[in-house]
Amino acid sequence: DAGVIQSPRHEVTEMGQEVTLRCKPISGHNSLFWYRQTMMRGLELLIYFNNNVPIDDSGMPEDRFSAKMPNASFSTLKIQPSEPRDSAVYFCASTTRSYNEQFFGPGTRLTVL
Amino acid sequence: DAKTTQPPSMDCAEGRAANLPCNHSTISGNEYVYWYRQIHSQGPQYIIHGLKNNETNEMASLIITEDRKSSTLILPHATLRDTAVYYCIVRVDNAGNMLTFGGGTRLMVKP
Repeated sequence: DAGVIQSPRHEVTEMGQEVTLRCKPISGHNSLFWYRQTMMRGLELLIYFNNNVPIDDSGMPEDRFSAKMPNASFSTLKIQPSEPRDSAVYFCASTTRSYNEQFFGPGTRLTVL
Repeated sequence: DAKTTQPPSMDCAEGRAANLPCNHSTISGNEYVYWYRQIHSQGPQYIIHGLKNNETNEMASLIITEDRKSSTLILPHATLRDTAVYYCIVRVDNAGNMLTFGGGTRLMVKP
């Protein structure tokens, strides 16, 4: 079992550029979560999906952030345009009702210059 | 609004038991206590959870007070690889629900 897969692992971009982060949840999991971690704010939930449907996006900081889950095996988090304050580690996690735990991916470290 | 309170940091000698406390005085009757940890540069990892009874698995033990207002995570024989930030979280036991992370406790296991 490959676990949750995130790509890229590291992304360096310039302010104003579009950034797309990708996540492949564990096969069979029907809940997917996007988190962001910074030194100042810690780990915070951005958005989560159940059965590919966004359930709570109240953590998405601004309209510059958008997330999609076109099918059960793929999700994207897009930032357009990116700003230096978006620099953080972005984690994706998945789970299903059979489990009590969320399984986290290795994260994407985003640096916006 | 913080639902849990944890000390920001703790030290533990290698091979000794690490006891990590958590206060959750406003916990509701249907909320469970969950523990996750995050080793440097990795994603958080589930450790254990419980409702009101003490729980044990291959990683740790969870002791919940009778009034459920506090709990203790016990790593019986801490190793250097247990150095991590440990998060105590209370939530309704629904896998589809989100996790709300607080500041956690940074545990440093020393040789």
